[in-house]
Amino acid sequence: KQEVTQIPAALSVPEGENLVLNCSFTDSAIYNLQWFRQDPGKGLTSLLLIQSSQREQTSGRLNASLDKSSGRSTLYIAASQPGDSATYLCACVSGANSKLTFGKGITLSVRP
Amino acid sequence: NAGVTQTPKFQVLKTGQSMTLQCAQDMNHEYMSWYRQDPGMGLRLIHYSVGAGITDQGEVPNGYNVSRSTTEDFPLRLLSAAPSQTSVYFCASSTLAGGTDTQYFGPGTRLTVL
Repeated sequence: KQEVTQIPAALSVPEGENLVLNCSFTDSAIYNLQWFRQDPGKGLTSLLLIQSSQREQTSGRLNASLDKSSGRSTLYIAASQPGDSATYLCACVSGANSKLTFGKGITLSVRP
Repeated sequence: NAGVTQTPKFQVLKTGQSMTLQCAQDMNHEYMSWYRQDPGMGLRLIHYSVGAGITDQGEVPNGYNVSRSTTEDFPLRLLSAAPSQTSVYFCASSTLAGGTDTQYFGPGTRLTVL
């Protein structure tokens, strides 16, 4: 059974810092890994999707990497801003019928 | 495109009542799924469907029924609501292309069972 872990559960940083959010998974037989953002009281918005054959994906100030062999992914946020404050979840697609397994998320607070 | 829509946004039920959470998507996606999100538990898969007429159970299916009569709609039915079903429910959809596509989520339904 796939298990996805995100540590720490919460993170507070000053504005302007570059930061890395970590995600680990137990079963390396994944189709892809996705990073989502969730604002309080809202749904999930997909940020980046990395296919199993890829090593990284970039979108603006966000860069996500994937190392299947070690069961790890990182989300790098450059020059963090208060608007980046949200919960970030990673999720792996694996198994029959593309089931998505989520981590519990990292709640990020960027202080002005 | 409206994307994935869910109704209602909020609902309060009494124990034992039944109700249906609605989910619709206008992207012609084959794959649809329901999750519940609880504090400290993350998102857990309730039921999913790989196409019209085909559904299957996820991680926490007990107390919920689903059907998929059309590609667009995937309602979730609570047969006899229990306080343990108090949660935020999310519907999601994607193409079925081997799990290679982005999952799109609805805004959620916040359910309280008294």
